[in-house]
This record gives sequence, C-alpha cells and structure tokens, in this order.
Amino acid sequence: EAGVAQSPRYKIIEKRQSVAFWCNPISGHATLYWYQQILGQGPKLLIQFQNNGVVDDSQLPKDRFSAERLKGVDSTLKIQPAKLEDSAVYLCASSLRGPNYGYTFGSGTRLTVV
Amino acid sequence: KNQVEQSPQSLIILEGKNCTLQCNYTVSPFSNLRWYKQDTGRGPVSLTIMTFSENTKSNGRYTATLDADTKQSSLHITASQLSDSASYICVVFDYKLSFGAGTTVTVRA
Repeated sequence: EAGVAQSPRYKIIEKRQSVAFWCNPISGHATLYWYQQILGQGPKLLIQFQNNGVVDDSQLPKDRFSAERLKGVDSTLKIQPAKLEDSAVYLCASSLRGPNYGYTFGSGTRLTVV
Repeated sequence: KNQVEQSPQSLIILEGKNCTLQCNYTVSPFSNLRWYKQDTGRGPVSLTIMTFSENTKSNGRYTATLDADTKQSSLHITASQLSDSASYICVVFDYKLSFGAGTTVTVRA
C-alpha cells in the first residue's frame, strides 16, 4: 500500500513570499489532516478535511493560510505571505474515517523562511 | 497548558543500554494512547496503541505501559540500537489527537 505522499520535501523562501504544499493521501482515505510542527514541539493541527469538506480549521491562521481539497482526494496548503515564524515542518496525515482507522503520516515538507 | 507532557525533553544513551520515556496526560476519558517514533526529516510512525483498559503493549524492543489511575504512560526501549535515535511522541485520543512535544533520544556507539 502506498503511503501518504507530500511534496516538495524542502522549501526555502524569503519572508512575504508565497508557498504551496501538496499532499496525496492513501487511496480511499476520506479524512485528511494538515499539521504544523515547529522544531522541538509536537504537531499542531491546522485543518482537518472529511472528503472535500472542512471538519476543523480552528487553529488555521486564516489571514495567511489557506487549504483546499477540491475533489476529496489530494490537497494543497498555501501560505501567503510567509513570516519567519512559519518556519516548520508541515505534515499531512490521512485516515479511513477518523484517527482510529489507518491513521498515517506523510514525510512532511520542511519550510525555511529567511 | 498542554494536555500531554513528556519527559525528559532529551536524553543520550549508549548503544545496548535501556531507557524509559515518560508521558503524563490530563485528557480524560480517552479512547487510546499512542506512542510514535519520528526519525529526523520523516513523519511520525506508530509504535504502539493502547486503549484505556490495557496496561502494556509491546512492539519488538519497545514496550509501552499505561496507568490510567495516575494518568501516566511510559515507553521502554530495551537494548538500544543506533537506529533508535529519534524523537518519540506520546499522543492521547479522545475526540481529537493531543500531541506531546516529544523526547529526543540519541544513541551513541
């Protein structure tokens, strides 16, 4: 079974620039999660999708972050404009229908904002 | 205040030695408690999942214990190997996942 695919693996941008991350979940997984993991901390949930609908985006900084999952499969997370404090690893995870069913992380995208 | 606290923040051990990582949580009740291993530059990978009624769960050289009365869990690594160098994250699931900050383990030859 293929895992959760994320790209790019690394990205370096200047502050105030824009950046986008892509995630392709495990086939058949209805639930998709985006996390932000700052160095030395655990992952923080940014947004959770169930198919193409948003379940929880309470911790997403909506003034600069956006995410979509238009066809209920792959997803993109965008930051515009980026700030220095956005430097982190952005993890995508997916599950069949909730964290108790096949919950799997991707390898993440490491973002450095300079 | 984070609902899942881990200690120590980091530790260094010699190859072949054992170590124990601690997780204290306030989430209650909960569905399950998980331990994940996160290698540098990779996403977290599940090691063990325990329901609130389980006391121990093993996965090779990794053994997790759970004391629901004291709201504590531990992860014991036996006969450590260089490949055990990673961050270990404790996660508690009630209706959502609550992550600890992790313990960074460095195994030296």
